[in-house]
Amino acid sequence: DTGVSQDPRHKITKRGQNVTFRCDPISEHNRLYWYRQTLGQGPEFLTYFQNEAQLEKSRLLSDRFSAERPKGSFSTLEIQRTEQGDSAMYLCASSFLQGAPYEQYFGPGTRLTVT
Amino acid sequence: GQQVMQIPQYQHVQEGEDFTTYCNSSTTLSNIQWYKQRPGGHPVFLIQLVKSGEVKKQKRLTFQFGEAKKNSSLHITATQTTDVGTYFCAGTRTQGAQKLVFGQGTRLTINP
Repeated sequence: DTGVSQDPRHKITKRGQNVTFRCDPISEHNRLYWYRQTLGQGPEFLTYFQNEAQLEKSRLLSDRFSAERPKGSFSTLEIQRTEQGDSAMYLCASSFLQGAPYEQYFGPGTRLTVT
Repeated sequence: GQQVMQIPQYQHVQEGEDFTTYCNSSTTLSNIQWYKQRPGGHPVFLIQLVKSGEVKKQKRLTFQFGEAKKNSSLHITATQTTDVGTYFCAGTRTQGAQKLVFGQGTRLTINP
């Protein structure tokens, strides 16, 4: 499978714990995005990387959230001191740097439940 | 900030009927993309519109971008059960911008 992969697919954690999610983009893609999606809503942009550089962060990304893409390949999203409001589907997407359309290829997501 | 609104939120049709979802932005968009998300699945890219007044067709699907580049629509002719899912529009504010702002989606269900 050469699509975007995410791990884990599901995560249940207790409030206050830290969690980390991983995203492996399509190998030729140098742009990587993180989104959060809650039930009945569209994905909300969190941040994006071009290669290893984090170029934009949403105001939704509080100090408890941090994302990295150390070698310009896979990325991790960490949430510290989780809160119940963090429960959501966390989606990763990737795209080519050049060419149009700038379609984004989404992974299956990580569903986070904070109890 | 930029907001993208979609209507209706839900639409239930009989198989064979047509379906339309509308997308409106509070600001002028550089481009608009449409995605489909099947139940339990992830968003899948359908199309991108860039030019004012642009119309694109994909088999039974017709996509339009408004003259003012603030609204868009997706029309499906003669729906089939495989069309079930949630349709999202998503726009970028400036050319080359990577932040996609999604609408809340229109969930389409079909009675066979």
